Amino acid sequence: EIVLTQSPGTLSLSPGERATLSCRASQTVSSSYLAWYQQKPGQAPRLLIYGASSRATGIPDRFSGSGSGTDFTLTISRLEPEDFAVYYCQQYGNSPWTFGQGTKVDIK
Amino acid sequence: EVQLVESGGGLVKPGGSLRLSCAASGFTFTSDTMNWVRQAPGKGLEWVSSISSTGYTYYADSVNGRLTISRDTAKNSLYLQMNSLRAEDTAVYYCAKNYGYLDYWGQGTLVTVSS
Repeated sequence: EIVLTQSPGTLSLSPGERATLSCRASQTVSSSYLAWYQQKPGQAPRLLIYGASSRATGIPDRFSGSGSGTDFTLTISRLEPEDFAVYYCQQYGNSPWTFGQGTKVDIK
Repeated sequence: EVQLVESGGGLVKPGGSLRLSCAASGFTFTSDTMNWVRQAPGKGLEWVSSISSTGYTYYADSVNGRLTISRDTAKNSLYLQMNSLRAEDTAVYYCAKNYGYLDYWGQGTLVTVSS
């Protein structure tokens, strides 16, 4: 099973700042099959990024994904008030699909 | 508009059973892999089970042999039969569509296993 480790656990930033979230895999993620989700309290997760760098439908271009192999990054170029949430990475290249433990982005 | 609506959650005693349902609309249900993902209170996400468009099923080791995924294409519905429930199965259960990355999710249904 591929273990995904996200860092930092919490990121405290102000609106307008840049957020950089990391997701490291215990082994190579096949074909960059890596996704990112956003989850707000009391809501279901929402798909942001798939294939490591492709934005899902309707996702603003301030969200971008990069990386390959074992190291992946989600970048939010300028934080909007609605971006403060928990973010999860997920790999779907190997069975079982696994998620990282999450990074919380909160308001500084 | 894609809609996934879960139901069937509730309080059940350890060792008991429960059947979750997910009503799907707004997409071609017969063409998509469907999935269950759960989230224990205050915890992260855990993939539970998937069923392909052709009926192949996949399970996490933690639930294999106790949970059974199925689909009814005539009713555009996904199910999760949960038997021999344990306290550690307590979670919000989400249904989600697509193979691999999960592009649409329902709002979830809470399952609480407690005596």
